[in-house]
Amino acid sequence: EVQLVESGGDLVQPGGSLRLSCAASGFIFSNYWMSWVRQAPGKGLEWVANINQDGSDTPCVDSVKGRFTISRDNARTSLYLQLNSLRSEDTAVYYCARINYGSGRGFDYWGQGTLVTVSS
Amino acid sequence: DIQMTQSPSSLSASVGDRVTITCRASQSIGKYLNWYQQKPGKAPKFLIHDASSLQSGVPSRFSGGGSGADFTLTISSLQPEDFATYYCQHSTDGPTWTFGQGTKVEIK
Repeated sequence: EVQLVESGGDLVQPGGSLRLSCAASGFIFSNYWMSWVRQAPGKGLEWVANINQDGSDTPCVDSVKGRFTISRDNARTSLYLQLNSLRSEDTAVYYCARINYGSGRGFDYWGQGTLVTVSS
Repeated sequence: DIQMTQSPSSLSASVGDRVTITCRASQSIGKYLNWYQQKPGKAPKFLIHDASSLQSGVPSRFSGGGSGADFTLTISSLQPEDFATYYCQHSTDGPTWTFGQGTKVEIK
């Protein structure tokens, strides 16, 4: 059974940093692109970043460029998102998701999400 | 960047109704269009890929159509468990991807 379990969400002050983790199991992690998607309270879904199988390709949305870094550790079957210079508008539930190239590059499995709150 | 616009933003319907949601891309995206369903407090669920291919386990009352820039999600006979918010998402060789703003399907 595919499982994605996020952790690391917390209350952090503006300008602060946080590292989110996503533990993957039930599939060959190193074979898949992975992604982070976020959802601000009461708002829609926003794609944040993708990472390819070896971590060499990491596109992201313009609003987080230079502040967030996506990475992975295939040996630990884990996905990460380093969040720096946090702003109030980064407050959201952050989901990790698996990208399935065999299904239109859709997000076929999602974690339960971890809440990041940026506030003083 | 490609923008995705869904309509309507919300709709009210009754059990048994046929419901259609539209998603329009700001430029042609071929068939690189996916649909998701999200219920309150839950992660999204993958429904349809490549504009019209049903993901495994999704009921056949859901169908998708379109290509290029205009797409639809249709629920042929709305069931109580279908009341949720639906999102489209493009997955072209971007490299960036975007979701539509969502369509909330509510009980009339």
